[in-house]
Amino acid sequence: DTEVTQTPKHLVMGMTNKKSLKCEQHMGHRAMYWYKQKAKKPPELMFVYSYEKLSINESVPSRFSPECPNSSLLNLHLHALQPEDSALYLCASMTLISTGAPTDTQYFGPGTRLTVL
Amino acid sequence: AQSVAQPEDQVNVAEGNPLTVKCTYSVSGNPYLFWYVQYPNRGLQFLLKYITGDNLVKGSYGFEAEFNKSQTSFHLKKPSALVSDSALYFCAVRDKDTGRRALTFGSGTRLQVQP
Repeated sequence: DTEVTQTPKHLVMGMTNKKSLKCEQHMGHRAMYWYKQKAKKPPELMFVYSYEKLSINESVPSRFSPECPNSSLLNLHLHALQPEDSALYLCASMTLISTGAPTDTQYFGPGTRLTVL
Repeated sequence: AQSVAQPEDQVNVAEGNPLTVKCTYSVSGNPYLFWYVQYPNRGLQFLLKYITGDNLVKGSYGFEAEFNKSQTSFHLKKPSALVSDSALYFCAVRDKDTGRRALTFGSGTRLQVQP
């Protein structure tokens, strides 16, 4: 099973709202990712967690706050977003071998379509 | 730094004809190379990857790709296109020598298969 699930599928929020995106996988993957994708563009990396610790933050504004509460869950907390933050937010996960080196495939969830009004 | 180029925004092919979607890459070390497909309003689906070994890699749905180190290319191919192959295709690379655990994607190529 190579399933990554994301909730909600769609989210509409105002600029003053606080909301969260959720990602879950039960493949035993210890690397988890958030990407942002605008229409007809490639995914852009936002955050990487390795063994539940934040390992990469691609200079993402602080209105996006990631959290990895355990090895199966990844959240993205949203606060005071701007209309230009409207996009498809993709979660992905990947296995890590014991030395922590990347060897395998990233599996993506279906995404959350976010609209900021 | 690692980068990927997909020189064609769109590829048009008739159903039943062979298709090729081009990808070239640049890494400082040795590459891991991937192809993903994205259908409208969906996430990315893994098609195939090159890690090491045989330069011709076979993947899902009849797709294959050839790794060419001298030309730094990893073109996606299929002998006979289907209308259902119409989608957005992304090539991606990860430099295995840096340990950076993230993919760099190309700009994407839209494949349109006409009946």
